[in-house]
Amino acid sequence: AQSVTQLGSHVSVSEGALVLLRCNYSSSVPPYLFWYVQYPNQGLQLLLKYTTGATLVKGINGFEAEFKKSETSFHLTKPSAHMSDAAEYFCAVTNAGNMLTFGGGTRLMVKP
Amino acid sequence: DAMVIQNPRYQVTQFGKPVTLSCSQTLNHNVMYWYQQKSSQAPKLLFHYYDKDFNNEADTPDNFQSRRPNTSFCFLDIRSPGLGDAAMYLCATSRDERGFETEAFFGQGTRLTVV
Repeated sequence: AQSVTQLGSHVSVSEGALVLLRCNYSSSVPPYLFWYVQYPNQGLQLLLKYTTGATLVKGINGFEAEFKKSETSFHLTKPSAHMSDAAEYFCAVTNAGNMLTFGGGTRLMVKP
Repeated sequence: DAMVIQNPRYQVTQFGKPVTLSCSQTLNHNVMYWYQQKSSQAPKLLFHYYDKDFNNEADTPDNFQSRRPNTSFCFLDIRSPGLGDAAMYLCATSRDERGFETEAFFGQGTRLTVV
């Protein structure tokens, strides 16, 4: 079984501030973890993924995430928010060939 | 150079009138998925095809059907749309059923309105 919990359905930051979006997962076997971004009325775009190897993963648009097995977390960060980062962000998990399971999503708002 | 294309982007249909959404891909991926995403919710998997093998999720209503006539195309048929079926429908592809371990590619989605 696998599941994903995203803490905070809405996160608001000021432009230039740190972005931190939280994701915790549960998985009975080693997980594969993903962050997707969705802009209004658009499909999902892969930001980054963790499969194996280095636990700090860098993605597109300056985002990165760190896999912490001991905390069962895969939080998404960006040092400095930009107005164009405003979107919905989904954390997702899969393992052992199972289908992708999404978290509930976090809407990021960026204030000027 | 869009890789997963969904048509139309916006669809309005009448209550109870059958509607078909289409998805095409240029990636030659074996697996195609259909997700339903209601407002402010996570995408929910309806079904997927591995080549011609159809795999339905247990809680997908019978009102939803799918066809995959060839590798490139996949259709979502809603036989009798209800107001509760209004949602964004997302098509995705992956190289194989373990493809999420590498990457899945999503289309832009079709937003369905039922009137």
